Amino acid sequence: GAVVSQHPSWVICKSGTSVKIECRSLDFQATTMFWYRQFPKQSLMLMATSNEGSKATYEQGVEKDKFLINHASLTLSTLTVTSAHPEDSSFYICSARDWTSGSVYEQFFGPGTRLTVL
Amino acid sequence: KQEVTQIPAALSVPEGENLVLNCSFTDSAIYNLQWFRQDPGKGLTSLLLIQSSQREQTSGRLNASLDKSSGRSTLYIAASQPGDSATYLCAVRMDSSYKLIFGSGTRLLVRP
Repeated sequence: GAVVSQHPSWVICKSGTSVKIECRSLDFQATTMFWYRQFPKQSLMLMATSNEGSKATYEQGVEKDKFLINHASLTLSTLTVTSAHPEDSSFYICSARDWTSGSVYEQFFGPGTRLTVL
Repeated sequence: KQEVTQIPAALSVPEGENLVLNCSFTDSAIYNLQWFRQDPGKGLTSLLLIQSSQREQTSGRLNASLDKSSGRSTLYIAASQPGDSATYLCAVRMDSSYKLIFGSGTRLLVRP
């Protein structure tokens, strides 16, 4: 099946610094990628939808200037958490849709990135 | 605003038991519902998708039912195995978009 990777798998950073997380579709092209955030014992919450070559669409309550998303190619989307604070510590998960898939609902999820901000 | 709740939050059973995981949602006007499995260090894996017009879907030892009017879905796992240990997530779509609204999951442990 289709594989989505994320890098890094975990990261620890100091408050005020920026962190970039990569999401790659390894064996398919993804016109659309999604970024989720999951706090401990809570639901995955969609943060934004990333379309290749265009600006991301952010969910209500998600600061687009704080969570910068770039989807410059059909296999790579990046999420940059700018000026990170301890409350940004969370598990960030991406998913990607295979544009050749006949199923509009098929999304492939990455393994997630654990971010800890000290 | 749609809210998805999963009960119980955690479940521990001996191997071989049949079990039921519950999912409820506040707005019954869903487009479809999907069950996922989440393993540590791995991505989510889709298990079953039920369209709003369907009552159930089956895949191997898994059976998912949907009662849209009452806002409930159940995932039935027959003859559980230690390899079934994972977190099970239920998610709904409200329209034909890709957007999923997730529950917080049920952490299942199947003891050998």
